[in-house]
This record gives sequence, C-alpha cells and structure tokens, in this order.
Amino acid sequence: AQSVTQLGSHVSVSEGALVLLRCNYSSSVPPYLFWYVQYPNQGLQLLLKYTSAATLVKGINGFEAEFKKSETSFHLTKPSAHMSDAAEYFCAVSDQAAGNKLTFGGGTRVLVKP
Amino acid sequence: GAGVSQSPSNKVTEKGKDVELRCDPISGHTALYWYRQSLGQGLEFLIYFQGNSAPDKSGLPSDRFSAERTGGSVSTLTIQRTQQEDSAVYLCASSLGPDRGGGYTFGSGTRLTVV
Repeated sequence: AQSVTQLGSHVSVSEGALVLLRCNYSSSVPPYLFWYVQYPNQGLQLLLKYTSAATLVKGINGFEAEFKKSETSFHLTKPSAHMSDAAEYFCAVSDQAAGNKLTFGGGTRVLVKP
Repeated sequence: GAGVSQSPSNKVTEKGKDVELRCDPISGHTALYWYRQSLGQGLEFLIYFQGNSAPDKSGLPSDRFSAERTGGSVSTLTIQRTQQEDSAVYLCASSLGPDRGGGYTFGSGTRLTVV
C-alpha cells in the first residue's frame, strides 16, 4: 500500500523567507507524486507533479519540488514567501494500478508573517 | 464546462435524512473521483469512475454511501440515513483518463453538515 507523510502540520514563515514543506512517500512501484494547494473554502489546485521525467519539477507560483528516490522524498520549496502563499498544502502519491487514485498526506498549513 | 462543478456548495441536513451531492466534471474527462475531507481523517478516497463504471469503490465507508455516473458525465454521491460523522467536505475531481499521470482537476467541494 502507498502512503505519504508530511512532516509538520503547521509551518510559519516570514514574508520573503524560504518556504520548505517536507513530504516522504512509500510506494512499491515508481511513484507519481503531486503537490496540491488549498485556499480557504476552495478545492485543491495542482501546484506541480512528478511523473518520472526530470527529478526537479517546477510548478506554479514559484514553487518547485525535487524527487529523491534514495530518500523517498518530494519536498516542496519556494525561495521567497509571499502573503498570498498562506494556505494548506498537500502532498500525494498516485496509485497507477488503481486508476491513479491519490493517497494524500495529512497536509501542512502555512502561515506567512509580514 | 471550464472546471469541475459541484452542487450544492453547502448542505445542512438533519440526522437520518438522505442527501445527494452532484458533480459535473470537465467535458471530455472520462475519469471521475470522489474524496472526503474531514478534520479527523484528512483527505480520503471514496470511489473512482471510468466512464459510467466504478472499478474501485473501496473507499466508501458504509453501505449508506453510494454513487453513480450517467452518460459518462455527471455523478451523484448519495448518503442515506445521514449520521453526524458524515459531516465533511466532499470533493469531486476529474481527469482525461486513469493513465494520464493523475494530476486531476478538483471542484470546490460540497460542505455537508449533519445536525
């Protein structure tokens, strides 16, 4: 079975500082990995995805993530936080053997301080 | 449509009543997924449709939950005899197909409150 662990349910960063959200996964097959963002009272929006091409993936809003097989990690980063980055972020792994249904991590809520 | 549309956006119902939640996927998307988001359980998979059939309904929590999809388009999630623990946000998502590397498009969800 696949699983995803996000370290830290809450992260607080200062505006302009580095954003680092940690995600580790467990998968018996080469994974497809995703980061989604959820703003209050909205659905999930895809930030970026890894599907076995380049290990460094660039997404929207200046976010990027690096797939590290040896560490089973897919951490999300952004060099400089904006106030608009305040949201909840979810890491997910896709089960290719089961219609690509997603297994999500518990989420990390990001607070950006001025 | 331009995005995944879910209705109603909010639903308050009395315990024991039945509710129907609707999802209208992006036109041409053959795969459709239902998830539930609740405080204690995070995001949980409920059921997946490919066309009108449901190859995986393993996430439905009990036989009070059912879903159907007609015309390869609109899907309805029905909860019978609602219980307070059914209170959650129900999210629908669609994608071009199950083998397209996931990354599907989510709707804004239906917030269900059972009182």
